[in-house]
Amino acid sequence: GAGVSQSPSNKVTEKGKDVELRCDPISGHTALYWYRQRLGQGLEFLIYFQGNSAPDKSGLPSDRFSAERTGESVSTLTIQRTQQEDSAVYLCASSLERRLAGPQETQYFGPGTRLLVL
Amino acid sequence: DAKTTQPTSMDCAEGRAANLPCNHSTISGNEYVYWYRQIHSQGPQYIIHGLKNNETNEMASLIITEDRKSSTLILPHATLRDTAVYYCIVRTPNFGNEKLTFGTGTRLTIIP
Repeated sequence: GAGVSQSPSNKVTEKGKDVELRCDPISGHTALYWYRQRLGQGLEFLIYFQGNSAPDKSGLPSDRFSAERTGESVSTLTIQRTQQEDSAVYLCASSLERRLAGPQETQYFGPGTRLLVL
Repeated sequence: DAKTTQPTSMDCAEGRAANLPCNHSTISGNEYVYWYRQIHSQGPQYIIHGLKNNETNEMASLIITEDRKSSTLILPHATLRDTAVYYCIVRTPNFGNEKLTFGTGTRLTIIP
């Protein structure tokens, strides 16, 4: 079946412009995560959605970053007034909700959006 | 979540078993050990996880020491496509928010 998809795959923008990154999770996955990965570094959590709500936004680095999710499906990460330090790969992952005791549910990642701010 | 320590890089000959170690000496009783990998220019990919018993699936085997302070991921017959960065994570169950935090992992290079 279809995996997690993200668009665009690459985005080059000028400093100060706004960008929107899109994530289409696996159908039926209620949990959705946004991460950032700078060149040569590990994964940095940004925000978590359960359904259309975001109970954990603790990873958003500044108020220039925001995200929404609609229809318990598509999510959009928006970066306003982009800065050069925002350059990174932005990864989206989704998983099934699991409320019973047991191992954590596997997260499936999209291919990422490579953002370059000039 | 407990921290993990992995070697920065490793090489392995094609066709041989690749053994990737991970130390997690501060792991607590209810934390699971997870392994993901990331092939160049792709998103991370789940490999395997375990609590205290050894686990095997179609991709790999996970060997966890009896004291659970370390583990080894084994790719039994490495191929060139297994060249990737491998991440070992230990995580406490948090029903709902399962956010992942990766360190820099082990860069595994499979040599032809």
